[in-house]
Amino acid sequence: SQKIEQNSEALNIQEGKTATLTCNYTNYSPAYLQWYRQDPGRGPVFLLLIRENEKEKRKERLKVTFDTTLKQSLFHITASQPADSATYLCALDRSFGNEKLTFGTGTRLTIIP
Amino acid sequence: NAGVTQTPKFQVLKTGQSMTLQCAQDMNHEYMSWYRQDPGMGLRLIHYSVGAGITDQGEVPNGYNVSRSTTEDFPLRLLSAAPSQTSVYFCASRARVDEQYFGPGTRLTVT
Repeated sequence: SQKIEQNSEALNIQEGKTATLTCNYTNYSPAYLQWYRQDPGRGPVFLLLIRENEKEKRKERLKVTFDTTLKQSLFHITASQPADSATYLCALDRSFGNEKLTFGTGTRLTIIP
Repeated sequence: NAGVTQTPKFQVLKTGQSMTLQCAQDMNHEYMSWYRQDPGMGLRLIHYSVGAGITDQGEVPNGYNVSRSTTEDFPLRLLSAAPSQTSVYFCASRARVDEQYFGPGTRLTVT
């Protein structure tokens, strides 16, 4: 079965710097990869989706890369703000139409003012 | 649109009791799923459905049943609650290849 590792359980970044979170996977290559944000006591909220044939995706201050050779995705938040503090989850799906979306355990990001 | 709604928000059960967690979505999504989230374990898929009348098991299905009689509703039944089922449960829905929308969660404690 697919195993997903998110680089660290917790990450502290100074406000204004770029936060970089890592998602590594083993076994099969997913058709696409998603990143979610989760605040305490709430359900995850979708941020970005990147397909296997895409190298990079951007949305405002967010950037996701997808390297199928390294079996890794990087999630960047530029010009980080305290409001970016949350847990970030990556999720993989093996193929289009397969509902078995597998989630990593998440990285708890804290932006220090 | 209300999105994905879940009831109840909190529930305490005694071991051996049964109950149903309700989930509804108003986005006409084909796919619906139930996850449980435990500290250090991440989100784990319990059951999922790709359309009305079609359900399948996820990673941790034991002790849970689901049915999908309509597109909108996807209830999760705990047959005989056990302390190991103490968790936060999330329902989610999505269109076929798209972002997944999560409900607010149900925090369940089994004593």
